[in-house]
Amino acid sequence: GENVEQHPSTLSVQEGDSAVIKCTYSDSASNYFPWYKQELGKGPQLIIDIRSNVGEKKDQRIAVTLNKTAKHFSLHITETQPEDSAVYFCAARPGGTSYGKLTFGQGTILTVHP
Amino acid sequence: DSGVTQTPKHLITATGQRVTLRCSPRSGDLSVYWYQQSLDQGLQFLIQYYNGEERAKGNILERFSAQQFPDLHSELNLSSLELGDSALYFCASRTNRGANTGELFFGEGSRLTVL
Repeated sequence: GENVEQHPSTLSVQEGDSAVIKCTYSDSASNYFPWYKQELGKGPQLIIDIRSNVGEKKDQRIAVTLNKTAKHFSLHITETQPEDSAVYFCAARPGGTSYGKLTFGQGTILTVHP
Repeated sequence: DSGVTQTPKHLITATGQRVTLRCSPRSGDLSVYWYQQSLDQGLQFLIQYYNGEERAKGNILERFSAQQFPDLHSELNLSSLELGDSALYFCASRTNRGANTGELFFGEGSRLTVL
């Protein structure tokens, strides 16, 4: 089955800096890659997603890049703010399966210091 | 607020017992997913229901079962509980309409502690 590796497990940045989280996946048939943000005591919330026919997608301060050849995708957050502090999860959806049947990475705890 | 409601928020029980977790999806969402979140396994897909029928299964234990009712709410039943079943159990729903059909809306979870 699909396996998703996520790095780093923790990331500490100063407010205003950029943050980058990287994930690799194993199943070349995977075609949907969402990123979720989980705040303390809450469920994960989708922040951005990308499909395999697109190499990059941007939404304000957040961007995701996908390299299908390397089976690698990354989350970029620019101009970080303290409210960006949370756990971030990448995920992959194996081809031919339900959109909601996701394999998640282990998560990255992002801390943004004021 | 995601629109997905889960009850109870916290549950403490003993080994060998059985519990039922309940989920109400967002209004109009036909698909319900159950995920387990634990420190060692991370977020793992358990099972999916669509309009009352089971659609996909993950690594769900035989001691666990789920169902989705005609009003679209879902229940996850966990029996013969073991210490290792202690985890956060999330329910998520997804719309099947419109362009952005990939997004899962998660509830706030039910935290199960088995003593």
